[in-house]
Amino acid sequence: AQSVTQLDSQVPVFEEAPVELRCNYSSSVSVYLFWYVQYPNQGLQLLLKYLSGSTLVKGINGFEAEFNKSQTSFHLRKPSVHISDTAEYFCAVSVHHSGAGSYQLTFGKGTKLSVIP
Amino acid sequence: SQTIHQWPATLVQPVGSPLSLECTVEGTSNPNLYWYRQAAGRGLQLLFYSVGIGQISSEVPQNLSASRPQDRQFILSSKKLLLSDSGFYLCAWSAGTGNTDTQYFGPGTRLTVL
Repeated sequence: AQSVTQLDSQVPVFEEAPVELRCNYSSSVSVYLFWYVQYPNQGLQLLLKYLSGSTLVKGINGFEAEFNKSQTSFHLRKPSVHISDTAEYFCAVSVHHSGAGSYQLTFGKGTKLSVIP
Repeated sequence: SQTIHQWPATLVQPVGSPLSLECTVEGTSNPNLYWYRQAAGRGLQLLFYSVGIGQISSEVPQNLSASRPQDRQFILSSKKLLLSDSGFYLCAWSAGTGNTDTQYFGPGTRLTVL
């Protein structure tokens, strides 16, 4: 079964410093990967997704992620964070559910990014 | 453009009371709909999903049920709430059930069971 592991539950970083949020997946077939952001007491918003093609994916708010098949990783990066980036970030993989014949998202447990002024 | 609504935004209920959370989507037809629960430190747990009116799939056996009485309406219910039902409930929609379909989330409902 496909799964997602977010290695860090909390990441503190100073404002204007770079950040990397780690995500590893397990899969023996083609994967489709997503990063979502959740601001306090709000729903999830799509940051970016990898479907195929270039392994470097650019998203909103200056974030990017790199798909690395050999390391089964999809780490999220930003070269310079702002206070407004303080939020929880979720990595997800599209998983086929044979019973329903459809695809669903399996989420990691999330990484809380705290940007320190 | 499409929008997704959830209500209420917050809810405090006693143990043993019933529950009804509502989710509606605007600006699209025949969406796939999802209910997730987010508990502290446990990420998102898919509870139910629906590919059409009256079609509900349950991911986790529990105290909750879901219904889809109309194309763009998805309801989460319980007859008797448990303390363990507390959490942040998120509704989401997607345009299809393919492996590349993006899910779009509503603002959520914070449920506290006392």
